[in-house]
Amino acid sequence: EVQVLESGGGLVQPGGSLRLSCAVSGFTFTSYAMSWVRQAPGKGLEWVSGISGSGDISYHADSVKGRFTISRDNSKNRLYLQMNSLRAEDTAVYFCAKNVWTTTFYFDYWGQGTLVTVSS
Amino acid sequence: EIVLTQSPATLSLSPGERATLSCRASQTISSYLAWYQQKPGQAPRLLIYDASNRATGIPARFSGSGSGTDFTLTISSLEPEDFAVYYCQQRLSWPITFGQGARLEIK
Repeated sequence: EVQVLESGGGLVQPGGSLRLSCAVSGFTFTSYAMSWVRQAPGKGLEWVSGISGSGDISYHADSVKGRFTISRDNSKNRLYLQMNSLRAEDTAVYFCAKNVWTTTFYFDYWGQGTLVTVSS
Repeated sequence: EIVLTQSPATLSLSPGERATLSCRASQTISSYLAWYQQKPGQAPRLLIYDASNRATGIPARFSGSGSGTDFTLTISSLEPEDFAVYYCQQRLSWPITFGQGARLEIK
């Protein structure tokens, strides 16, 4: 059974940093690209960042480019999102999502999300 | 960036009726489109990928069609559990983008 579990969310001041983690199990982690998708309160879905199975290729939305970094540790079956220079508009539930196939960016398994609140 | 525009924003129907939701892309995306369902407090659920293929475990009442710039999600006969928010998503080019969502509510 595939399991996806995010952690690391919380309250942070504007300009601060936070590192999200996603622990996965039930599939061969190295074979699948992964992404972070966020949802601001009462709003729609926004893709944030994606990374290849090997971790050598990553992509970021323009809204987070230069501030957020996606990474993975395939030895630990974990995905990360390092978030720096946080802004109020980064407040959202952050979901970790698995690709349907190795490099096909549709998402078939999602975690329940972790809430990040940026406020003073 | 490819913009996806969903319509209508809200659709009010009764159980047993047919629902049709639309997604229009700002440029051609071939068939690289997915549909998701999201209920309050839950993660999205993949329904349809590559415009017309049902994901694993999705009931046959859900179908998708379209290519190029215009796409449709059809629910042939609404069940009570189908009332939710639906999103389309393209994977043709970076950044991956979602539509703004369409709410399907009980009339």
